Amino acid sequence: LAKTTQPISMDSYEGQEVNITCSHNNIATNDYITWYQQFPSQGPRFIIQGYKTKVTNEVASLFIPADRKSSTLSLPRVSLSDTAVYYCLGTKLGTYKYIFGTGTRLKVLA
Amino acid sequence: GAGVSQSPSNKVTEKGKDVELRCDPISGHTALYWYRQSLGQGLEFLIYFQGNSAPDKSGLPSDRFSAERTGGSVSTLTIQRTQQEDSAVYLCASSLRQGARENSPLHFGNGTRLTVT
Repeated sequence: LAKTTQPISMDSYEGQEVNITCSHNNIATNDYITWYQQFPSQGPRFIIQGYKTKVTNEVASLFIPADRKSSTLSLPRVSLSDTAVYYCLGTKLGTYKYIFGTGTRLKVLA
Repeated sequence: GAGVSQSPSNKVTEKGKDVELRCDPISGHTALYWYRQSLGQGLEFLIYFQGNSAPDKSGLPSDRFSAERTGGSVSTLTIQRTQQEDSAVYLCASSLRQGARENSPLHFGNGTRLTVT
């Protein structure tokens, strides 16, 4: 499974775009990159998953360059309610062992 | 539609007692996972079920921990002779399937907060 590294914490202000970068230098050919969001006292929630290039949904965008050694989660115009921990995972097709690191603690300030 | 349900939401127990934590997955989800999260930490994988079978129990911290799943649905995580270091939030997740061509997202419950005094 791809080992991922991401910043421990980030601060942002309401209305700004936030980009959280995750590095995964040993990503394998059949690994996907998946992001989860966790609010206090709740379980993590799936945000987005991608293999390469760009994926966008109603919540976020995920950019994965051609070499796939890193990825960037982009949250447009964050609000206070986006304050949470964001986890980047390398997930292999057909695997069951999802490794959650300590994530990135995003704090959105007014 | 109901999400993953865990009970109890909070459990306080005395050191040495046994506890049972329950997880009701989303209906139709064949894969079920247990994780443990200590304060301010990431998630620690404990065990995975595909149907009623647990192909990998290597994440269970000790032989005091066991888990079962019946009818391909409800799962119970049992901790015997609890210790203070067992204090954590125990999270359950389910997913539709895990296959060679897809990874269905994990759907988590809100966890059981276990405090061992």
